[in-house]
Amino acid sequence: DAGITQSPRHKVTETGTPVTLRCHQTENHRYMYWYRQDPGHGLRLIHYSYGVKDTDKGEVSDGYSVSRSKTEDFLLTLESATSSQTSVYFCAIRARIQETQYFGPGTRLLVL
Amino acid sequence: AQTVTQSQPEMSVQEAETVTLSCTYDTSESDYYLFWYKQPPSRQMILVIRQEAYKQQNATENRFSVNFQKAAKSFSLKISDSQLGDAAMYFCAYRSYSGNTPLVFGKGTRLSVIA
Repeated sequence: DAGITQSPRHKVTETGTPVTLRCHQTENHRYMYWYRQDPGHGLRLIHYSYGVKDTDKGEVSDGYSVSRSKTEDFLLTLESATSSQTSVYFCAIRARIQETQYFGPGTRLLVL
Repeated sequence: AQTVTQSQPEMSVQEAETVTLSCTYDTSESDYYLFWYKQPPSRQMILVIRQEAYKQQNATENRFSVNFQKAAKSFSLKISDSQLGDAAMYFCAYRSYSGNTPLVFGKGTRLSVIA
């Protein structure tokens, strides 16, 4: 599982509240990613990081921000959650061996 | 921008039979990686198989193999001797060889296995 954990695993929140999801890795990988998965859309990239304090936007970055202050943690923040952000969120890393992405277990977020 | 297309939203196969899932992609690059991921009901994304574009030999992993046709930009997944545990969503993905580029995913194919 490439040593990736996500917290929380499930969260219910209300519209307008801030939410932070955490991705933690134990193997010192440089690249980390946040995706969201919705029916009919597959996985879409929100933001990614290629090093401490180095991040970039993905396909669906509006309404999301990220931070990476240390190698092992990549945080995804919804500044003011909306119902359209109800989704399953996956974190991933890119392993140096074979340049392959491995995924965390996912976080199911429900915004009421 | 690269795109990945999986034209079969759903497929089914009888247990012990063989099934092929289709994937095509669009790119102007010559060096890249291709992947198939499996997502069972647990929602965990599991790497099934990986192919590097410069390798002409098709990748295989036990009962899983690919048919990589670079000129046609096609990357199909063959599952032999299908088992009930193969029932899942399958995603095809592309990544450029260079730099920071992340994976680009198709929308997935839901595979059912019939006992």
